[in-house]
Amino acid sequence: GNSVTQMEGPVTLSEEAFLTINCTYTATGYPSLFWYVQYPGEGLQLLLKATKADDKGSNKGFEATYRKETTSFHLEKGSVQVSDSAVYFCALDTGRRALTFGSGTRLQVQP
Amino acid sequence: NAGVMQNPRHLVRRRGQEARLRCSPMKGHSHVYWYRQLPEEGLKFMVYLQKENIIDESGMPKERFSAEFPKEGPSILRIQQVVRGDSAAYFCASSPPGTGVSYEQYFGPGTRLTVT
Repeated sequence: GNSVTQMEGPVTLSEEAFLTINCTYTATGYPSLFWYVQYPGEGLQLLLKATKADDKGSNKGFEATYRKETTSFHLEKGSVQVSDSAVYFCALDTGRRALTFGSGTRLQVQP
Repeated sequence: NAGVMQNPRHLVRRRGQEARLRCSPMKGHSHVYWYRQLPEEGLKFMVYLQKENIIDESGMPKERFSAEFPKEGPSILRIQQVVRGDSAAYFCASSPPGTGVSYEQYFGPGTRLTVT
């Protein structure tokens, strides 16, 4: 079956530090890959996506590249802010429209 | 343009009662999805519906859970005879009509169900 594995949190960084959150996946076929962000007490918001190998998704300074050879979709940001503190979820879809999520990584950014 | 609406935001039920969770998709969206999030875990897919049709219910527990998306009105997730293990956040998402892999699911704020 399909699965997504994320690095465990919490990840604690100082403001302006570099962020990497690792995500690897197992899937049949060629899935689309997503990063969602969840702020406290809210639903999930789509942060970025990539639909085929070597695609790079980017939004609000965050980036992730679809690496088929390593089955990875790591999330990066060059300089985090306190407002980036949230839980980040990696997810995939193989075309069934049923998203498979990782367990989430909590990011805490300190001023 | 209002986003995905869910109500109630918080629901407390005693064991054995019924829980009804409502979801109104974004305007123009005809696809609805329900997910469950247990504490400190990721979201788990439950069911995918279009108007008057269940497309994929592979994530729904076999008993006590049902979902519908009628021609008029919101989508309803119904849990009969709730047990403590049903306590979770239930999220609804919607997406526009059409096919293709580059669709986006828009999530509502969730309903937090507590079973006492």
